[in-house]
Amino acid sequence: QVQLQESGPGLVKPSETLALTCTVSGVSVNNGNYHWSWIRQPPGKGLEYIAYIYYSGTTNYNPSLKSRVTISLDMSKNQFSLKLSSVTAADTAMYYCARDPHDLWSGDGMGFDYWGQGTLVTVSS
Amino acid sequence: DIQMTQSPSSLSASIGDRVTITCRASQGIRNDLGWYQQKPGKAPKRLIYTASTLQSGVPSRFSGGGSGTEFTLTISSLQPEDFATYYCLQHNSYPRTFGQGTKVDIK
Repeated sequence: QVQLQESGPGLVKPSETLALTCTVSGVSVNNGNYHWSWIRQPPGKGLEYIAYIYYSGTTNYNPSLKSRVTISLDMSKNQFSLKLSSVTAADTAMYYCARDPHDLWSGDGMGFDYWGQGTLVTVSS
Repeated sequence: DIQMTQSPSSLSASIGDRVTITCRASQGIRNDLGWYQQKPGKAPKRLIYTASTLQSGVPSRFSGGGSGTEFTLTISSLQPEDFATYYCLQHNSYPRTFGQGTKVDIK
């Protein structure tokens, strides 16, 4: 059974770096069928894709956040992580990790199928 | 980026009603479109992908259609557990982008 679980501080001060980890079970992050992604949702608002990482180390970042985001993979722990620097109140959101499958041959995506339960990060002094 | 425009942003409906939500893409995305249901305090749940493929375990009253730039999610007979917010997602290219959401509540 595939499960994803986010972890990290719930409160971050302005200008500091937000750091979250997603622990994956039931599937290896080394599996080439998936991109491992982060998505966020400010309170009462819609969903925003942040980034993905592939087992090969390939990454993709939303251009709107690219200058502040780093995503990384730890295969030994079956985890992937997000860092978002220079945070402001606008970065207050529920942060989700998710699995994004794609067809190995065609490369066609299928959208996020498994999600973590989410972790609320508040940016405040 | 591909912009996804959902309509309506909210709707009120009764149990048993047929409900249709529309999502338009700013450029053609073939059939690379998914639909998600989100209840308060919960993560989104995938209902449909590749425009019309029903996620395993999702009731058959949910159906999706469309291709190119215009897509629909239809609930054939609204049930109490269907009151939620629905989002479309284009999975054609990165960055992945979502519609702004449609809140379905009780009339």
